[in-house]
Amino acid sequence: AQRVTQPEKLLSVFKGAPVELKCNYSYSGSPELFWYVQYSRQRLQLLLRHISRESIKGFTADLNKGETSFHLKKPFAQEEDSAMYYCALSQNRDDKIIFGKGTRLHILP
Amino acid sequence: NAGVTQTPKFRVLKTGQSMTLLCAQDMNHEYMYWYRQDPGMGLRLIHYSVGEGTTAKGEVPDGYNVSRLKKQNFLLGLESAAPSQTSVYFCASRYGYVNTEAFFGQGTRLTVV
Repeated sequence: AQRVTQPEKLLSVFKGAPVELKCNYSYSGSPELFWYVQYSRQRLQLLLRHISRESIKGFTADLNKGETSFHLKKPFAQEEDSAMYYCALSQNRDDKIIFGKGTRLHILP
Repeated sequence: NAGVTQTPKFRVLKTGQSMTLLCAQDMNHEYMYWYRQDPGMGLRLIHYSVGEGTTAKGEVPDGYNVSRLKKQNFLLGLESAAPSQTSVYFCASRYGYVNTEAFFGQGTRLTVV
C-alpha cells in the first residue's frame, strides 16, 4: 500500500539557517514524488516534482530509492518560506495522489 | 482563467442534514479528486474520478458519495452529515496520471453541529 510519512509536524528554523523537511514513502511500483506548499490563506500549489530535478525558490529534493526518501532542502531559510509543506506520492499507472500529514515550517527572525 | 473553483466556501450544517459540494475546473482535466484536511491528519483522499462518468473510493470514503456527470464538474455529497465530517474540503484536478501537477481549489470549510 502507498504511504507517505512526514515525521515532523512542526519545524522551526532561524532565518538564514538550512532547512530540511523529511519525507519517506512506501510503494509497490515506480513512484512519482512531489512537494506541495500551502502559504497562509492560499490554496495548495506544486513546489517541485522529483522528475524535474529543478530548484524552485531555492528548494531542492532528491529521490533516494534506496532509503525511500524525498527530503526537501534549502540552504538558507527565508521568512517567506513559512508555510505548510506536503509530500505527495503517485505511482506510475495509478490514479491516486497520496499525501503525507504535512510539516509546518516556521522561520524565526 | 478560473482553474479549480469550489462552491460554497463556507457552510454550517446541523447533524443529519445533507449537502453537496461542487468542484468545477476549466482546464479540460481528466482526473479529479476530493480531499479532506484535518489538523494533524494532513490531506486524506475521499473519492476520485479518472474521467466523466467514473468514480472510485479513496482512503476515507465512508459517509460521502460523488458524481462526475460532466467532465468539468465533480460533486461531493454528504447524505447525513455528522460532526466527524467537520473539516476543510479540497478539490483537485490534473490532466493525467503521469507525473502531472495537481491544481487545487480554494477549499470549503464545513462545520457540522
